[in-house]
Amino acid sequence: NAGVTQTPKFQVLKTGQSMTLQCAQDMNHNSMYWYRQDPGMGLRLIYYSASEGTTDKGEVPNGYNVSRLNKREFSLRLESAAPSQTSVYFCASSAKTGGRETQYFGPGTRLLVL
Amino acid sequence: AQSVTQLGSHVSVSEGALVLLRCNYSSSVPPYLFWYVQYPNQGLQLLLKYTSAATLVKGINGFEAEFKKSETSFHLTKPSAHMSDAAEYFCAVSEGVGSQGNLIFGKGTKLSVKP
Repeated sequence: NAGVTQTPKFQVLKTGQSMTLQCAQDMNHNSMYWYRQDPGMGLRLIYYSASEGTTDKGEVPNGYNVSRLNKREFSLRLESAAPSQTSVYFCASSAKTGGRETQYFGPGTRLLVL
Repeated sequence: AQSVTQLGSHVSVSEGALVLLRCNYSSSVPPYLFWYVQYPNQGLQLLLKYTSAATLVKGINGFEAEFKKSETSFHLTKPSAHMSDAAEYFCAVSEGVGSQGNLIFGKGTKLSVKP
């Protein structure tokens, strides 16, 4: 099992450019998540998908869109990147174990917007 | 509304000393609590999670945490720090499954271990 994989690992964009961050999991999890991590802020939820075909906004959704392509894949799109979106982005998926959802994280994508 | 407070953004201990990382939560229902560790330039790894079966939870790498409802705390401890424990630690809370299973993270505590 590869677990949760993310591509790319690093990306530099110019303001106004668009890009899609890819995430895939091979653990047959129903739920998937996108977070951003900024210094001193912890992790903040951007969007999540409780199951294939559904997506919902998290704490900081503005400037992002998501697609739950199938059960395995959950992508995050920046239509017009802004310097404020410079961050490290983490994808996670979760399974219900012991009555609780436990989230497993990918290695992250480091994004710099100039 | 749920929230998590981690006291101390930086903690420094000597190798072999006790590690204590503090986490307090607020939740309107019995919470589900987690500790994650993040090594430099890596993703988050689950250290341990609270299940109602026991208030003292043992995790990986010799860490453990105790759930204290009266203090709304879930502090992380390790009796003897090792250099390899240097990392950032995040406490998180959720209230259940589905949208209520979404994690609310604390802002993290960076642990430094001095030789």
